[in-house]
Amino acid sequence: DAKTTQPPSMDCAEGRAANLPCNHSTISGNEYVYWYRQIHSQGPQYIIHGLKNNETNEMASLIITEDRKSSTLILPHATLRDTAVYYCIVRTPFNDYKLSFGAGTTVTVRA
Amino acid sequence: KAGVTQTPRYLIKTRGQQVTLSCSPISGHRSVSWYQQTPGQGLQFLFEYFSETQRNKGNFPGRFSGRQFSNSRSEMNVSTLELGDSALYLCASSLAGRGVTEAFFGQGTRLTVV
Repeated sequence: DAKTTQPPSMDCAEGRAANLPCNHSTISGNEYVYWYRQIHSQGPQYIIHGLKNNETNEMASLIITEDRKSSTLILPHATLRDTAVYYCIVRTPFNDYKLSFGAGTTVTVRA
Repeated sequence: KAGVTQTPRYLIKTRGQQVTLSCSPISGHRSVSWYQQTPGQGLQFLFEYFSETQRNKGNFPGRFSGRQFSNSRSEMNVSTLELGDSALYLCASSLAGRGVTEAFFGQGTRLTVV
């Protein structure tokens, strides 16, 4: 199973881009990368996921390196409401999937 | 539309007892998965149910079990509680399943075992 590591914390200025790294150096070619965030006392919220290509949605962009050993979640214009713990998760395919959860990065957006 | 509802929100149990937690998914979602979250171990996958069948399970002892009803509501049971079972238990629902695939999480049930 892929081992997923994230930095424990990072600060970001409001209005600036936040770049959150995730290392999954043992990932296999068919394993997906997911990002969720958890705001204090709430359940995790889905952000984005990808396999090989970079992905973008209304919340964020996901950049996966060509060798797929790491990825970066980009919050383009961080707001105070983006303060949360961000989790990187690797999932194997099919119904008997395995999940490898990162320990999470606590992102604090400062005014 | 209504989100994922977990009941109760807080629970205190004594070691050796058993507990049942409930999860009502978003209407139309057939997949419900359960997770345990602790400060030491982080998020861990317990199991997933899809259309009343357990489709996948994580690496937890048999004391942890679940079921899903025909209306997609799910229950999770933990028997012979241990102090280490104290955790936030989260459930998530999705259309297609496979755990974290575009899943919507409830706020969780905070279980404290004393």
